[in-house]
Amino acid sequence: NAGVMQNPRHLVRRRGQEARLRCSPMKGHSHVYWYRQLPEEGLKFMVYLQKENIIDESGMPKERFSAEFPKEGPSILRIQQVVRGDSAAYFCASSPLGDRGAGANVLTFGAGSRLTVL
Amino acid sequence: RKEVEQDPGPFNVPEGATVAFNCTYSNSASQSFFWYRQDCRKEPKLLMSVYSSGNEDGRFTAQLNRASQYISLLIRDSKLSDSATYLCVLRVGNMLTFGGGTRLMVKP
Repeated sequence: NAGVMQNPRHLVRRRGQEARLRCSPMKGHSHVYWYRQLPEEGLKFMVYLQKENIIDESGMPKERFSAEFPKEGPSILRIQQVVRGDSAAYFCASSPLGDRGAGANVLTFGAGSRLTVL
Repeated sequence: RKEVEQDPGPFNVPEGATVAFNCTYSNSASQSFFWYRQDCRKEPKLLMSVYSSGNEDGRFTAQLNRASQYISLLIRDSKLSDSATYLCVLRVGNMLTFGGGTRLMVKP
C-alpha cells in the first residue's frame, strides 16, 4: 500500500515560469491537503480538496496559485509566474474521511516537493 | 498572536536526559491535538495524539490543559535518534494547524 506520492521531488524554475506539483493520495483516501513550508519555518495550510471540489482555500495566495483534484488522476498544485519567494517545500497530505471516521484526525504526508526558483 | 506557539529552540540535551516542550494555542474551539515529528528535510510524521487525560507511549508523555490552552510533550531517557523538530498540531473542523516546531538535538 503505497503512501502519499508526490512528484517531482525537486523542481527548479526560473522566475516567470510555471511550476506544477502532483500528489497522489494514499489508496482509499479521498481528502487532500496542501501545505507549504518556507525554510526554517513551520507548515502553513494552503488548500483542502476532495475529488472535484475545493473545500477550503483560505491559505492560498490570491494570485498565481491554483489547485485541483480531478475525478481521475492526482491532485495538482499549480504556481504561475513563479517568484523567488515561492521557493519552499510543498507537502501534500491525505486523510480517509475528512471530518468523519476514526482515521480522519490523522494526516499522512508525502515526502514533499522542493521548489527552487532561480 | 499566532494560533499555535512553540519555542523554536534548539534544545540541546545529553543522551539519557529528560526534556519537555510546551505549546500554547489561541483557538478555544480546537478539537484534537497532536504531536508530529519532522526530521531534517523530511515530511512530518505523527508521533502521538494528545488526550485530555494525558497519555503515554513508551518514553513519550503528552498532556493537554484545555483551561490554560497548552499542551506538552515529555521525552524521557533521550536517544540520539530523538533529534528532530517536534511540531504541535491542533485540529479545528477539517483543518490542521501546525506550530513552528521545537528543535531538539540530543548529544552523545
